[in-house]
Amino acid sequence: GAVVSQHPSWVICKSGTSVKIECRSLDFQATTMFWYRQFPKQSLMLMATSNEGSKATYEQGVEKDKFLINHASLTLSTLTVTSAHPEDSSFYICSAEPGLAGVTDTQYFGPGTRLTVL
Amino acid sequence: ELKVEQNPLFLSMQEGKNYTIYCNYSTTSDRLYWYRQDPGKSLESLFVLLSNGAVKQEGRLMASLDTKARLSTLHITAAVHDLSATYFCAVEGMRFGAGTRLTVKP
Repeated sequence: GAVVSQHPSWVICKSGTSVKIECRSLDFQATTMFWYRQFPKQSLMLMATSNEGSKATYEQGVEKDKFLINHASLTLSTLTVTSAHPEDSSFYICSAEPGLAGVTDTQYFGPGTRLTVL
Repeated sequence: ELKVEQNPLFLSMQEGKNYTIYCNYSTTSDRLYWYRQDPGKSLESLFVLLSNGAVKQEGRLMASLDTKARLSTLHITAAVHDLSATYFCAVEGMRFGAGTRLTVKP
């Protein structure tokens, strides 16, 4: 089956530092990847949609300059949380979608990255 | 703006009982997804419903979609403890409901 990995699985950083999270589709090419944030005991909130080779589309209320997304290849998307603060502490989950861009059929989710900002 | 409402948000049930989780959404959509999440884990895809009237079953779980009513249901039959988890519906694949935290007690 399709596998999506995330790295790191958890990270603890000091306030003001930047953290990069990688999302990789291991056995398929993903034209579209999604980044979600999930606070404890809450639902998943879509942050942005990332298409290979183009700029990410951010959801309303998500700061583009704070959450930098790069989808440089068909198997890798990265999310960089810049100048992280304690309120950015959350569980970040990516998903990848094979097939034609813009057609959502099946998403494969990564295992998530737990970010704690001190 | 697309809104997705799930109910109940919390569900405690005894083993062997049946129950249904409801997912209502506010705009037209032909794609409805159900996911399971265990504590501290990511999501596991359960069902993808792609047309009006679609019904899918896997084990003790059955999902259906009524696009005219903008309603999907996840029915649990003869619940077992292993089904304890949080269940999410998602419209268009990425707009999630609040989740239903299911606890199945012996």
